Amino acid sequence: NAGVTQTPKFRILKIGQSMTLQCAQDMNHNYMYWYRQDPGMGLKLIYYSVGAGITDKGEVPNGYNVSRSTTEDFPLRLELAAPSQTSVYFCASLAQPSSYEQYFGPGTRLTVT
Amino acid sequence: AQSVTQLDSHVSVSEGTPVLLRCNYSSSYSPSLFWYVQHPNKGLQLLLKYTSAATLVKGINGFEAEFKKSETSFHLTKPSAHMSDAAEYFCVVRTSNTGNQFYFGTGTSLTVIP
Repeated sequence: NAGVTQTPKFRILKIGQSMTLQCAQDMNHNYMYWYRQDPGMGLKLIYYSVGAGITDKGEVPNGYNVSRSTTEDFPLRLELAAPSQTSVYFCASLAQPSSYEQYFGPGTRLTVT
Repeated sequence: AQSVTQLDSHVSVSEGTPVLLRCNYSSSYSPSLFWYVQHPNKGLQLLLKYTSAATLVKGINGFEAEFKKSETSFHLTKPSAHMSDAAEYFCVVRTSNTGNQFYFGTGTSLTVIP
């Protein structure tokens, strides 16, 4: 099992550009999450999904969009990049709520200038 | 509302001495509590979890934590620090009313001095 994979590892965007951060898991997990981690801070939940076709907002969804067309993939879209979106982005998956353990990808470091 | 407070942003210990990383939580509902570790430029790894069973929880690499409801605390300990323990540690809470959402503390950076 590859676990949770994220691409790209690093990206620099100019203000106003758009991009999609990719996340995939091969563990057949229903739940998937996107977090952002700012320096000196914990992780903040952006969006999550409880299964294909179902997504919901977390604490900090503004400026982002997600889709979940398959169990495996959960891409995060930035439409109009802003400097405030400079962060490290982590994707995670969870087999079911009662299992409680989230599996994290290695992260994507995004800089918006 | 639920929240997690990690009382120390940085902790330094000498190799071979005990480690204590402090975490307090706020929740009106039955919480599940977790400690995750993040080594530099890596993703997060689960150390241990409390899910309403035994209040003293043992995790990987010799770490353990005790859930104290009266103190709303879930401190992480290890009897003897190793150089490889140097990392960022996150306390995380999940409550029954939030279902699928997890709330992270701001993290404690552990330095181990040789």
